[in-house]
Amino acid sequence: DVKVTQSSRYLVKRTGEKVFLECVQDMDHENMFWYRQDPGLGLRLIYFSYDVKMKEKGDIPEGYSVSREKKERFSLILESASTNQTSMYLCASTVDRVSYNSPLHFGNGTRLTVT
Amino acid sequence: AQTVTQSQPEMSVQEAETVTLSCTYDTSENNYYLFWYKQPPSRQMILVIRQEAYKQQNATENRFSVNFQKAAKSFSLKISDSQLGDTAMYFCASDDSGNTPLVFGKGTRLSVIA
Repeated sequence: DVKVTQSSRYLVKRTGEKVFLECVQDMDHENMFWYRQDPGLGLRLIYFSYDVKMKEKGDIPEGYSVSREKKERFSLILESASTNQTSMYLCASTVDRVSYNSPLHFGNGTRLTVT
Repeated sequence: AQTVTQSQPEMSVQEAETVTLSCTYDTSENNYYLFWYKQPPSRQMILVIRQEAYKQQNATENRFSVNFQKAAKSFSLKISDSQLGDTAMYFCASDDSGNTPLVFGKGTRLSVIA
């Protein structure tokens, strides 16, 4: 079974800190995604990657960057954390770009609080 | 650009009853795919059911079925014989054949009451 592991379940950081959220998948998936989940706003795509060292901006990339040095790992970076980045962050992966053929596999999420 | 709208932020249903969650979408593509994902409290998001736009027959997965109305761009989820384990956030999502990543609606929080 596919496993998508997010390194932290809960994280508390201070305003201005640099924050790394790590995501690892164990099924050799090409495609990886970072979503942000907020009540009443659903899931919003931050960044995605269709291959190693490739990255694409999603709908809300401002204040974030990503790194994909290895196929199995996709990191989300908050260069200078702000309180409006307090949220639940979900990582997901798929083997195929067309979701019908390979549904998204999600991690358990990281609940980040910025104080 | 694709959009997905879920107009019911919260719903509740008695155990063993049937409930329908609404979803409308907008896309300019002729071929696309539609999904319902479920996120139980404090647990992983998982796929519930999926539908190909060019298939007229509504998808079913055990107690879960969809009512796909292509002309109306509507994709509702029906849960029959609701169980306590169905309590979750439900997200409708759309994929325009891989041209862009999956787009999600804002979700419907469903509570199944004993």
